[in-house]
Amino acid sequence: GAGVSQTPSNKVTEKGKYVELRCDPISGHTALYWYRQSLGQGPEFLIYFQGTGAADDSGLPNDRFFAVRPEGSVSTLKIQRTERGDSAVYLCASSLLAGLANEQFFGPGTRLTVL
Amino acid sequence: AQRVTQPEKLLSVFKGAPVELKCNYSYSGSPELFWYVQYSRQRLQLLLRHISRESIKGFTADLNKGETSFHLKKPFAQEEDSAMYYCALSGNSGYSTLTFGKGTMLLVSP
Repeated sequence: GAGVSQTPSNKVTEKGKYVELRCDPISGHTALYWYRQSLGQGPEFLIYFQGTGAADDSGLPNDRFFAVRPEGSVSTLKIQRTERGDSAVYLCASSLLAGLANEQFFGPGTRLTVL
Repeated sequence: AQRVTQPEKLLSVFKGAPVELKCNYSYSGSPELFWYVQYSRQRLQLLLRHISRESIKGFTADLNKGETSFHLKKPFAQEEDSAMYYCALSGNSGYSTLTFGKGTMLLVSP
């Protein structure tokens, strides 16, 4: 079946603009995670959803970052007033349930470039 | 705070040579450890996890709590093993957000 998909695959924007990044998890997966991967670094946790609610948003760097998952499936990561330091690959992952026994399946990522 | 350290950015070996990718962690409780792999132009995928004690593609990893390590090993490297490898940790919070190391690029030459 289809894996996790993310759109767009690439996004170039100017400093100060607003961007939205979309994640379509595997059908039926209740848990959804967003990570950010800067150049030369490993993925860094941003936010975790269980169903529609954000169960842990402790990784969001500041209040310019926000994510929603209104129907418990598709999620959108929103970044306001983008800065050059926001440039990174944004990864989404989903798992059937939360919990360590449940493998996280990753999407291909969205590469965000802020000029 | 939890942390994962992968001291080598790049590990280059010849085909057939043994491989050991190092991973050390810092966590106050009992963590779960994972190895993820990213082949060229592919997405990040789980290679193995310590709780299942399995061997995948000839790779094994043993959790050493005394040394706080979870090194990834393979006795005979293959060219198709060339990839980026990430060690990751999950705390015992009931769900599985992951803390990743910076990754090690493994290059296996013929």
